[in-house]
Amino acid sequence: AAGVIQSPRHLIKEKRETATLKCYPIPRHDTVYWYQQGPGQDPQFLISFYEKMQSDKGSIPDRFSAQQFSDYHSELNMSSLELGDSALYFCASSKRTKRGYEQYFGPGTRLTVT
Amino acid sequence: GENVEQHPSTLSVQEGDSAVIKCTYSDSASNYFPWYKQELGKGPQLIIDIRSNVGEKKDQRIAVTLNKTAKHFSLHITETQPEDSAVYFCASLSGSARQLTFGSGTQLTVLP
Repeated sequence: AAGVIQSPRHLIKEKRETATLKCYPIPRHDTVYWYQQGPGQDPQFLISFYEKMQSDKGSIPDRFSAQQFSDYHSELNMSSLELGDSALYFCASSKRTKRGYEQYFGPGTRLTVT
Repeated sequence: GENVEQHPSTLSVQEGDSAVIKCTYSDSASNYFPWYKQELGKGPQLIIDIRSNVGEKKDQRIAVTLNKTAKHFSLHITETQPEDSAVYFCASLSGSARQLTFGSGTQLTVLP
């Protein structure tokens, strides 16, 4: 079965640079979520999109922005990178139905800020 | 907001034994409770979930129980195998929000 695709898998940036992470949800899934996971920590919700509109917002810094496109893929844009932004960034997708809650995670993008 | 606590943080069992991981949540409006398995360098993998209108769910060697009154839910793995070794996260989804709140994770090690 098709899974969530994330690119790139690894990214190294310097402080104050920008980064763009991409997420391609499972086919026919209409909702995308972004999570940040620091070393040894649990995933923290950043932001989600449903049908190309922002749905929920979590602990996403103002330096970050995201959007969902017409083909349902999503991009997380990160500017003025800081050392503390080094983490695993996961995208998850789901099919929003009355009873559908399952979120399926991608393999993640490991961002290292030096 | 929702708060999920997970115990224990580390768990070592002998191959073939059972493993139990427990979580509590704070928001009485939470209605969906998934469990994820995360192997090193990989994304969390949904292994089982339970909704608030169900008390127990089983899938082969894995089972989850939910006590809504006490606001706690547990993961039970029977006949553990070395490939079960991973970090396990519980999570909850509250009300109309679709964002998951995760527990702090349990590092399960199955000793051969």
